[in-house]
Amino acid sequence: DAGVIQSPRHEVTEMGQEVTLRCKPISGHNSLFWYRQTMMRGLELLIYFNNNVPIDDSGMPEDRFSAKMPNASFSTLKIQPSEPRDSAVYFCASSLYAGPEVTQYFGPGTRLTVL
Amino acid sequence: GDSVTQMEGPVTLSEEAFLTINCTYTATGYPSLFWYVQYPGEGLQLLLKATKADDKGSNKGFEATYRKETTSFHLEKGSVQVSDSAVYFCARGAGGTSYGKLTFGQGTILTVHP
Repeated sequence: DAGVIQSPRHEVTEMGQEVTLRCKPISGHNSLFWYRQTMMRGLELLIYFNNNVPIDDSGMPEDRFSAKMPNASFSTLKIQPSEPRDSAVYFCASSLYAGPEVTQYFGPGTRLTVL
Repeated sequence: GDSVTQMEGPVTLSEEAFLTINCTYTATGYPSLFWYVQYPGEGLQLLLKATKADDKGSNKGFEATYRKETTSFHLEKGSVQVSDSAVYFCARGAGGTSYGKLTFGQGTILTVHP
C-alpha cells in the first residue's frame, strides 16, 4: 500500500521566493496534518484538516504560510515569501478518522532550505 | 494546555543494554498515548500506543504502560540493538473534540553502539 506521499523531498530556494509543498494522504483517510520539525523547536503542528476543512490553524507561524486541501487526495502548504528561518523539515500526516486514539501516518518529509 | 515532556537526550547505549526513556504528560482528560520512532532520513512511524489507564502497548520488543497515577508512559526495551538507533517521540492525543490532534514531546535521540 502506498503511504503518505510528499513532494518534493528536498527544496532549496532563495529568500523571497514562493515555496509550495505537496502532500497526498493515504487513500480513504479523512484527516490530514502538516508539521514542521526543527532542532530548536522540535515537532510543531501547523494546521490540520478534517474532511478537507481546516479545523485548527493556530500553529501557522504567520500570514506568509497558507495551506489548502482542495480534495480528499491532495493538500498544499505554501510559503510566500520564504525566509531563512523557514528552513526545516515539513511533514504531512494522515489518519483514517478524527479521534484522540487515532494513529497518524507520516510521509517522508520535505527538507526545505531557504538561503 | 496539553503537553508532553520527555527525558533529555541523547542516550547512548551498548548493544544488549536495557533502555528506558521517560515520558510524562499533562493530565487533561483521558488521552491516548503514543510512542513514535523516526529513523534517519524518514518520517515518524508509530511504535506503540495505549488508549486507557493500565494498558500496555508493545511492539518489536518495546513496551510502555499507561500510568494514570503518575501521568507517565515510559518506553522500555530489555535488550537494544544497533538498529534501534533513532529518535523516539512520546505523544498524547487531544481530548474533547480536537479531531485526532497529537501533542509531541521534544524527542529523544538514541544511539546504540555494537
